[in-house]
Amino acid sequence: TQLLEQSPQFLSIQEGENLTVYCNSSSVFSSLQWYRQEPGEGPVLLVTVVTGGEVKKLKRLTFQFGDARKDSSLHITAAQPGDTGLYLCAGEVGNGNKLVFGAGTILRVKS
Amino acid sequence: SAVISQKPSRDICQRGTSLTIQCQVDSQVTMMFWYRQQPGQSLTLIATANQGSEATYESGFVIDKFPISRPNLTFSTLTVSNMSPEDSSIYLCSVALKARVATEAFFGQGTRLTVV
Repeated sequence: TQLLEQSPQFLSIQEGENLTVYCNSSSVFSSLQWYRQEPGEGPVLLVTVVTGGEVKKLKRLTFQFGDARKDSSLHITAAQPGDTGLYLCAGEVGNGNKLVFGAGTILRVKS
Repeated sequence: SAVISQKPSRDICQRGTSLTIQCQVDSQVTMMFWYRQQPGQSLTLIATANQGSEATYESGFVIDKFPISRPNLTFSTLTVSNMSPEDSSIYLCSVALKARVATEAFFGQGTRLTVV
């Protein structure tokens, strides 16, 4: 079973602070994605990383895929209340269209 | 990308009854997925639904409890049968589309089920 460990489970910070969420596995993934889910909605895809060492930026969000494609991180700079939500990482299993999801990180940004 | 319409968005049901959740996709897809999620927690895959064949259930989930229909390439239903309070959860349908280099998932807005 391929597991994705995500940390921290919960993060409560003040507006303007920086934070990093980690996603780790002992398995290699062909790609890894990050999703954000707000209450009452389904998860929404933020980014996909596929190459070891890849770094992608989405405004104040920076995503990194580990060199060995076993881990990833999400860094948010100057967090805003609108960043509040559940962040999920997901790894693609083989080529069978299946994704394995991490346990999730609940982020609350207080104004 | 894909746009998925899921309904109902929420329901409160009596124990012992059944609820059918519908999921409509704006494009034809081979596989659709059904997940369960406790609020603020990760997703647990219930089953994978292929058009024209029986759904494939994950460990801990059985067809008698969660029958799934997949009549065509754009629609699926999940029924939660003989409900108990332990079935209270968020249920999500999803499709996985092969983008240029990776598979990406798209979700319906979820059905929040409360069993009383």
